[in-house]
Amino acid sequence: GAVVSQHPSWVICKSGTSVKIECRSLDFQATTMFWYRQFPKQSLMLMATSNEGSKATYEQGVEKDKFLINHASLTLSTLTVTSAHPEDSSFYICSAAGGQYSNQPQHFGDGTRLSIL
Amino acid sequence: GDSVTQMEGPVTLSEEAFLTINCTYTATGYPSLFWYVQYPGEGLQLLLKATKADDKGSNKGFEATYRKETTSFHLEKGSVQVSDSAVYFCALRMGNSGYSTLTFGKGTMLLVSP
Repeated sequence: GAVVSQHPSWVICKSGTSVKIECRSLDFQATTMFWYRQFPKQSLMLMATSNEGSKATYEQGVEKDKFLINHASLTLSTLTVTSAHPEDSSFYICSAAGGQYSNQPQHFGDGTRLSIL
Repeated sequence: GDSVTQMEGPVTLSEEAFLTINCTYTATGYPSLFWYVQYPGEGLQLLLKATKADDKGSNKGFEATYRKETTSFHLEKGSVQVSDSAVYFCALRMGNSGYSTLTFGKGTMLLVSP
C-alpha cells in the first residue's frame, strides 16, 4: 500500500527560529499533498493543499507567509514554519494523493510534533 | 458547508465489550464516508470506508454502514481489545477522487481496560 513518510517526527526549537517539515511519498507520485494541524485532543484542521509545481492553496485564516509550503517534486512537499513562536506548537500531519492511488483516500504521514520554547 | 458530528469521548470500556461510536454528517450531495484511527503520537490510518448508501465498510472487526436516511455512519465492534485504544475520526469526502479534501469530525477517544 501507499507509504507516506514525514520527517522529523519530533522537533524542539527556540522561539524565532524557522522549522522545516518534510513529507515524502515513498512508492507513488503524489500530485497533491495536504497539510493539517492538530491541537491537543482536537480534530485535524486543514491548513493548505499543494499541487506539484504550483502554489499552495491556503485555507481561510492560515497565514501563508508564516507557513511556507513547497511542492517542487512529485514525491516531496515541505512545510516551513517561519519565525516560530510558542503558539505555533502543535502536531502537524501531511497526507498525499496521486499516482496509482489517485482514486483512494489520502494517505497520511505519522505526523510531526513541534514544540517551540 | 459540509460537516461531521461525532459523539464526545472518552468512551471507556472493558475488554470484550461492545463498541458504538456515533457519527452523523451534513453534506450537499452524496459523500463518501470514512473512519480513521489515530494511535498515540502517530498519524491517521484509514480503518474503513463506504462510498454509497447502504454500503457496509469493515476491517479488523470494526463495521460501519452508510445510512442515507439518517445521514449516519456509526462505528461498531462486537468485542473490543486493549489494543483498540485510540482516537477515532469520522470523515466525509465529496467525490471519489483522492484529491478531494476530507472533512473530519472532532474525534472520539476510546479507552479499553483489561
